[in-house]
Amino acid sequence: DTGVSQNPRHKITKRGQNVTFRCDPISEHNRLYWYRQTLGQGPEFLTYFQNEAQLEKSRLLSDRFSAERPKGSFSTLEIQRTEQGDSAMYLCASSLLIEQYFGPGTRLTVT
Amino acid sequence: AQSVTQLDSQVPVFEEAPVELRCNYSSSVSVYLFWYVQYPNQGLQLLLKYLSGSTLVKGINGFEAEFNKSQTSFHLRKPSVHISDTAEYFCAVSSNFGNEKLTFGTGTRLTIIP
Repeated sequence: DTGVSQNPRHKITKRGQNVTFRCDPISEHNRLYWYRQTLGQGPEFLTYFQNEAQLEKSRLLSDRFSAERPKGSFSTLEIQRTEQGDSAMYLCASSLLIEQYFGPGTRLTVT
Repeated sequence: AQSVTQLDSQVPVFEEAPVELRCNYSSSVSVYLFWYVQYPNQGLQLLLKYLSGSTLVKGINGFEAEFNKSQTSFHLRKPSVHISDTAEYFCAVSSNFGNEKLTFGTGTRLTIIP
């Protein structure tokens, strides 16, 4: 059990560019979650996968955001045409039963 | 839908003193409750959870929490804090069916004074 890993840990991009983040869950965890955390706030739910199926998306997830989990293993979160308001920590979590285990996060800064 | 209120945004406590971090929740369905800790520039680490059964739950690092259904609270306590407990603490709730997505409070920053 190596834990949830996320890459990159930090990303600085210019407004209007596309970015992609990767999350590798704990092996055998069938559920994978993405959250976004802005400064001084708790994480907010973005989307959820069970195996390869994306079962729920938050209204926070605009059309510029897309997430995939091919083959039910790792997941990617892409943000197109980034805006300064997208600057945040993007957290990934995985679970097998109920408890969610979080990765270290990807901190995105949009300049 | 669920919501979580953490009334105290910052709590300063002297080292070796006891501490209580307050959490109240709102939900129209039965819930699971969690406390997570976040150290600077890191992800969240699960401290403890309430799923069912005994309302007093014990977690890692000497923390415990008590579920009070009538008061819809899940306060976190530690009898004697250490410098290493300095961190941000988040209370979270999920429904006990479905995808168990977490709804978090805004967090409480615990600062330990030497």
